[in-house]
Amino acid sequence: VQLVESGGGLVQPGRSLRLSCVTSGFTFMNYDMHWVRQAPGKGLEWLSFILPDGSDLDYADSVKGRFTISRDNFRKTLYLEIRDLRVEDTAVYYCTRDHYGGPPFDYWGQGTLVIVSS
Amino acid sequence: AIQMTQSPSSLSASVGDRVTITCRASQDIRNDLAWYQQKPGRAPNLLIYSKSTLQSGVPSRFSGGGSGTDFTLTISGLQPEDLATYYCLQEFTFPHTFGQGTKLEI
Repeated sequence: VQLVESGGGLVQPGRSLRLSCVTSGFTFMNYDMHWVRQAPGKGLEWLSFILPDGSDLDYADSVKGRFTISRDNFRKTLYLEIRDLRVEDTAVYYCTRDHYGGPPFDYWGQGTLVIVSS
Repeated sequence: AIQMTQSPSSLSASVGDRVTITCRASQDIRNDLAWYQQKPGRAPNLLIYSKSTLQSGVPSRFSGGGSGTDFTLTISGLQPEDLATYYCLQEFTFPHTFGQGTKLEI
């Protein structure tokens, strides 16, 4: 099982960014997928989830309206689009998986660092 | 959103000690509580889910308990490699929420 995030970097406030999480080693289309972030020196913050078929999704109140989660089951890839980036979005962004009835967030990616600064 | 209050925020203990970390939910979350260990610079690692089910490959010195709103993570026989920050997670409902974390120093 592997999850590999990418798309992070240094971006200016107000800009947009799309993070990707490429997966392998498991049946992607059978899993809920989630994004979690961690600001420097801070705790974990759950951000968003999406059902295997994309028919349901949800967001943390803190990011609702600016973040959009999506997935491509053919490419086995999870995405997170972030609009109107703010300094407080600076964090390591992780993708992780969940299977109904199974252990939650049993595998994680290594994370991708987003730094929002002018 | 359900608030998860974790305590203590930091803890100092010695090798061989038994330590307990507590997580309190702002409402009943049944047994939908998981514990994660995070070492510096690494992604979190699942230790326990469904309140007390030990994840495959996790040493048996880790155990979970509690129910409803109050949950515990206990490490029996602390080892040097247990130096880490520990987080609880409620997955009872969305938005999922983590506790603030407990930094364990050996």
